[in-house]
Amino acid sequence: KAGVTQTPRYLIKTRGQQVTLSCSPISGHRSVSWYQQTPGQGLQFLFEYFSETQRNKGNFPGRFSGRQFSNSRSEMNVSTLELGDSALYLCASSLGTGETDTQYFGPGTRLTVL
Amino acid sequence: QKEVEQNSGPLSVPEGAIASLNCTYSDRVSQSFFWYRQYSGKSPELIMSIYSNGDKEDGRFTAQLNKASQYVSLLIRDSQPSDSATYLCRAGNTGKLIFGQGTTLQVKP
Repeated sequence: KAGVTQTPRYLIKTRGQQVTLSCSPISGHRSVSWYQQTPGQGLQFLFEYFSETQRNKGNFPGRFSGRQFSNSRSEMNVSTLELGDSALYLCASSLGTGETDTQYFGPGTRLTVL
Repeated sequence: QKEVEQNSGPLSVPEGAIASLNCTYSDRVSQSFFWYRQYSGKSPELIMSIYSNGDKEDGRFTAQLNKASQYVSLLIRDSQPSDSATYLCRAGNTGKLIFGQGTTLQVKP
């Protein structure tokens, strides 16, 4: 089976812009979770989608949003980018909910905000 | 208090030794626990999951869970330089997907 894929792998944006990241889960997986990873804060949970519904949400501002499509692919959007949004964004898929099932991570999207 | 706590390290052990990584969690309702390994510049990969009290072994890795004391540990026997990485602990329960900060392990040849 193909693993989790994320596009693009690298992205450079300027403050105030918006960005959309994409994640394709492992075939058959219904849950997609998004994480932000920075050296100082570690791996921070953004949100989880399961069967097109947002199931869980972390403590991030409303500028961070996401959605999931009927084929389980997910997108994450960040509006009005700030310098502090520079990070590695990881998505992870699981067969069932991410709370109790093993999550498989994609390679990540490295976002740099200038 | 952080919900999932790990000693950031670095933990340094000589090649062939046993590396012991610890993780404590605050939410008593947590039912599932996961250990991930992350090499520098790579994404996390699952080492082991554990759901019941006691030990679970997989090759050189043993996960230990003690729900009464709210800790989960990972033992790596016969540590190899290739085990040098950051090890992340995750506790799972309703509504929360929380990772610890990770422990950096260095295995010296």
